Amino acid sequence: GDSVTQMEGPVTLSEEAFLTINCTYTATGYPSLFWYVQYPGEGLQLLLKATKADDKGSNKGFEATYRKETTSFHLEKGSVQVSDSAVYFCALTFGNRDDKIIFGKGTRLHILP
Amino acid sequence: ETGVTQTPRHLVMGMTNKKSLKCEQHLGHNAMYWYKQSAKKPLELMFVYSLEERVENNSVPSRFSPECPNSSHLFLHLHTLQPEDSALYLCASSQETSNEQFFGPGTRLTVL
Repeated sequence: GDSVTQMEGPVTLSEEAFLTINCTYTATGYPSLFWYVQYPGEGLQLLLKATKADDKGSNKGFEATYRKETTSFHLEKGSVQVSDSAVYFCALTFGNRDDKIIFGKGTRLHILP
Repeated sequence: ETGVTQTPRHLVMGMTNKKSLKCEQHLGHNAMYWYKQSAKKPLELMFVYSLEERVENNSVPSRFSPECPNSSHLFLHLHTLQPEDSALYLCASSQETSNEQFFGPGTRLTVL
């Protein structure tokens, strides 16, 4: 079945370091891809999305490019801040009625000052 | 503020209690969801409502009973819960079930 695989966490980085969180998917078609973020004590928030191959989603300094050839949607940020500490979820949906969003297991990110 | 509110934010209950979680969305969406988020476990989809009809029940025990009286409100009625039901319960909504979801802040439930 369709699935999303994320790198295991936790990921611990120093402030201003470069961040990559890997995400790959398995799907029988061409889904839309999302990154959600969950800050401590809060629900999930949409961070960015891409709806077709080679699209790049970006927000708050984060970027992810929809790579059909590698079925990937890796999240990157050039210089992380302590405030980026959160859990990040990769997700996909097909955009057809009654198709739900499939979430990855989440990757916890901890940024040290 | 995502337009989805949940009450209460924290709840402690005994195994014999009956309580309800409430979710309200102000976004005009027509689909609503309940998720369970436990420590060190993936996000678990519990129930999906589309146009006020339940379209999915992911093998959730009957001690959890959802109710969707209209497109803006979703409840999760709880009775005779177990300690392993302690978790963060997240509500979400979307326009159609295939689109991006907007989440509430969650209710942190502790079952003693």
